[in-house]
Amino acid sequence: NAGVMQNPRHLVRRRGQEARLRCSPMKGHSHVYWYRQLPEEGLKFMVYLQKENIIDESGMPKERFSAEFPKEGPSILRIQQVVRGDSAAYFCASSLSLAANTGELFFGEGSRLTVL
Amino acid sequence: GENVEQHPSTLSVQEGDSAVIKCTYSDSASNYFPWYKQELGKRPQLIIDIRSNVGEKKDQRIAVTLNKTAKHFSLHITETQPEDSAVYFCAADRPQGGKLIFGQGTELSVKP
Repeated sequence: NAGVMQNPRHLVRRRGQEARLRCSPMKGHSHVYWYRQLPEEGLKFMVYLQKENIIDESGMPKERFSAEFPKEGPSILRIQQVVRGDSAAYFCASSLSLAANTGELFFGEGSRLTVL
Repeated sequence: GENVEQHPSTLSVQEGDSAVIKCTYSDSASNYFPWYKQELGKRPQLIIDIRSNVGEKKDQRIAVTLNKTAKHFSLHITETQPEDSAVYFCAADRPQGGKLIFGQGTELSVKP
């Protein structure tokens, strides 16, 4: 049973370009979370999705950022017109059910975005 | 508001000593408190968790305590080893919404 798969692991973009980060949850998991980690900082919640639905996007900037989790395929975090401040590690996590009910979030290895 | 505060931000101990990391949370409705370990360049991984119906939980050299009245919980690592060196994150759940809010992290260094 493969774990949470994220790609690309490393992504370099120039200012103004678009970044697309993909996340395939663990098999059977329908809950996906995206977190951002800046160097030497904690994990900041961005968005929580279930299949085809955004449940909570309170941590995601209103502009330039969007997320989806389609019925078929991976969850995608999209950042348009990237700026240097978007440089960070973006972690995806999945769970079988609500984190509070079944416990563990399983994290992917992260996608490290560098904006030049 | 949503807030989990974690202290200290860095902790250095000698091998064999104990290490204690403390967290406080603001949402009295939180009832699930996991701890994650993140080694350099790796993914965060769950090491232990506790729910609000218990005050203490232990797994070999790792223990977690919870004081729901005071809204704080702590991680205790005994007989530390160099391989315990990592960043440790506490978290608390948000029952309305289901997400986890993480603390700022503690970088633990165990010196041989």
